[in-house]
Amino acid sequence: GAVVSQHPSWVICKSGTSVKIECRSLDFQATTMFWYRQFPKQSLMLMATSNEGSKATYEQGVEKDKFLINHASLTLSTLTVTSAHPEDSSFYICSAPASGGAEGPPDTQYFGPGTRLTVL
Amino acid sequence: GESVGLHLPTLSVQEGDNSIINCAYSNSASDYFIWYKQESGKGPQFIIDIRSNMDKRQGQRVTVLLNKTVKHLSLQIAATQPGDSAVYFCAENYYGSARQLTFGSGTQLTVLP
Repeated sequence: GAVVSQHPSWVICKSGTSVKIECRSLDFQATTMFWYRQFPKQSLMLMATSNEGSKATYEQGVEKDKFLINHASLTLSTLTVTSAHPEDSSFYICSAPASGGAEGPPDTQYFGPGTRLTVL
Repeated sequence: GESVGLHLPTLSVQEGDNSIINCAYSNSASDYFIWYKQESGKGPQFIIDIRSNMDKRQGQRVTVLLNKTVKHLSLQIAATQPGDSAVYFCAENYYGSARQLTFGSGTQLTVLP
């Protein structure tokens, strides 16, 4: 099946610094990617929809100036957590539908392995 | 909002027994449902999906049942193995939502030797 990678797999940073997380679709193109956040023993919560060549769409309650998303190519989306604080510590996961992003019936989404962010 | 101190529902089964994991979904307009398996520290892994025009679908050792009347989804795992120990999430999607998935709360499955 389709493969989605994330880098880094884990990162530890100091409070106030910014961290960039990359999400890549390795063998398919993704005009749309999704970013989720998962706290311990909780479900995945959608943060934003990343759109290639246009602005990301953020879910209610997610600060777009804090979580910067750039979808610069058909295989790469990046999430930058700016001025990170301890409460931003979480597991960040991206996903991409395998269809190439065309509108139509929903397709299986493939998830990356996640990035564990710890803010000290 | 987020629930502080939320604990996942848990299910413990003996190795070799069948497991049934349940999920209640929220949107009556949802037309596509997926079960994911998530091992500790990893991303969700696709198990099986079902569309709303079906009420049952079988895969290898897994079966998904859909009851749209009561908005209920279940995952049955036959002959549960230790490698099946993980958190299982159901996810729902409806056409027109840009294929965004809404995840259920998850169930921690533990397979006992």
